[in-house]
Amino acid sequence: AQKITQTQPGMFVQEKEAVTLDCTYDTSDPSYGLFWYKQPSSGEMIFLIYQGSYDQQNATEGRYSLNFQKARKSANLVISASQLGDSAMYFCAMRGLRDDKIIFGKGTRLHILP
Amino acid sequence: NAGVTQTPKFRVLKTGQSMTLLCAQDMNHEYMYWYRQDPGMGLRLIHYSVGEGTTAKGEVPDGYNVSRLKKQNFLLGLESAAPSQTSVYFCASSHLRDRYHNEQFFGPGTRLTVL
Repeated sequence: AQKITQTQPGMFVQEKEAVTLDCTYDTSDPSYGLFWYKQPSSGEMIFLIYQGSYDQQNATEGRYSLNFQKARKSANLVISASQLGDSAMYFCAMRGLRDDKIIFGKGTRLHILP
Repeated sequence: NAGVTQTPKFRVLKTGQSMTLLCAQDMNHEYMYWYRQDPGMGLRLIHYSVGEGTTAKGEVPDGYNVSRLKKQNFLLGLESAAPSQTSVYFCASSHLRDRYHNEQFFGPGTRLTVL
């Protein structure tokens, strides 16, 4: 069975600093996809970034990048130059080979301090 | 485009009552999902569908049923509501860009309270 683990329930970071949100996963599938989503206090879910296990390079999208270490089964989200608007819940998710399920971790609540 | 819409936005039920949550998408997506979000538990997959007329169980399917009679709609039913089903329910849809890349588009959520 697939499993996503986010070990940081909450983080406090000073504005303009870089942030790393941890995500480890467990799967027996040879190939899979990894996703990060943001959920602001307003409640909507916003897609941030995708990484395929077969991709040669780590994914980047603007200030978001993914530190993907396949051997360690980790897919950490890095936010550069954090902003107050980055304060939100962040979820890591995974889709495997064998079925079409997309499962989520429990999330990390990020607080950006002015 | 409206994207993904959910009806209703809020609902209060008594234990044992039934209800149906409606999810609609206008993006012609093949995949649709129902999740529940509870404090400290993240999003847990209830059921999902990979196309019209198909459904499959997720991580927490007990107490729920689903139907996808039309491609654009995905219904979640609670036959006999229990207080443990108090939650925020999210619907999502997606299409497959490549092998595993199908980022989901989420609805605004339905807040359900079962007394």
